[in-house]
Amino acid sequence: GNSVTQMEGPVTLSEEAFLTINCTYTATGYPSLFWYVQYPGEGLQLLLKATKADDKGSNKGFEATYRKETTSFHLEKGSVQVSDSAVYFCALTTRPSNTGKLIFGQGTTLQVKP
Amino acid sequence: AAGVIQSPRHLIKEKRETATLKCYPIPRHDTVYWYQQGPGQDPQFLISFYEKMQSDKGSIPDRFSAQQFSDYHSELNMSSLELGDSALYFCASSLDLGRTTHNEQFFGPGTRLTVL
Repeated sequence: GNSVTQMEGPVTLSEEAFLTINCTYTATGYPSLFWYVQYPGEGLQLLLKATKADDKGSNKGFEATYRKETTSFHLEKGSVQVSDSAVYFCALTTRPSNTGKLIFGQGTTLQVKP
Repeated sequence: AAGVIQSPRHLIKEKRETATLKCYPIPRHDTVYWYQQGPGQDPQFLISFYEKMQSDKGSIPDRFSAQQFSDYHSELNMSSLELGDSALYFCASSLDLGRTTHNEQFFGPGTRLTVL
């Protein structure tokens, strides 16, 4: 079946540190890959996406590259800020027999300290 | 820009009571998804609708039912509530089952249901 595995958290970093959150997936068909962010007490916001192999999604300084050979979609940011503290979810949907439902990883909590 | 609206934002119920959660998708979006997120858990897909028809079903208990109306809003009806139903319930919307937008979904703020 389809699944997403993320590195366990929490991840605690100092401001301006480099961030990597690992995400690997198992999927049939051709998945689209997403990173969602959830700030405390809020809903899910799409951070970035990639829809085919070697695509790079980017937004707000975050990047992730769709690596089909390693079935990975690791999230990176060169310099984190305190305001980046949140829970990050890697997710996928699959095609062709797709109804669009998202399958999420277990989430990784990021804490950034001043 | 208009976003997905969910109501109520918070709901407290007793065991065995019923609850109705509402979702208003982004204008022109014809697809609605419901997800359940337990404390410290990842969101789990419950059910989805496209053009007022059920399009997919996930781990939704038989005690729950849902529908999408002619104006595309959706309601999730939950009966015989159990303590384990306490969770954050998200609604998301997309256009055309996501086929033309690479499955991008837009999430509402969620309804936090507490069952006592």
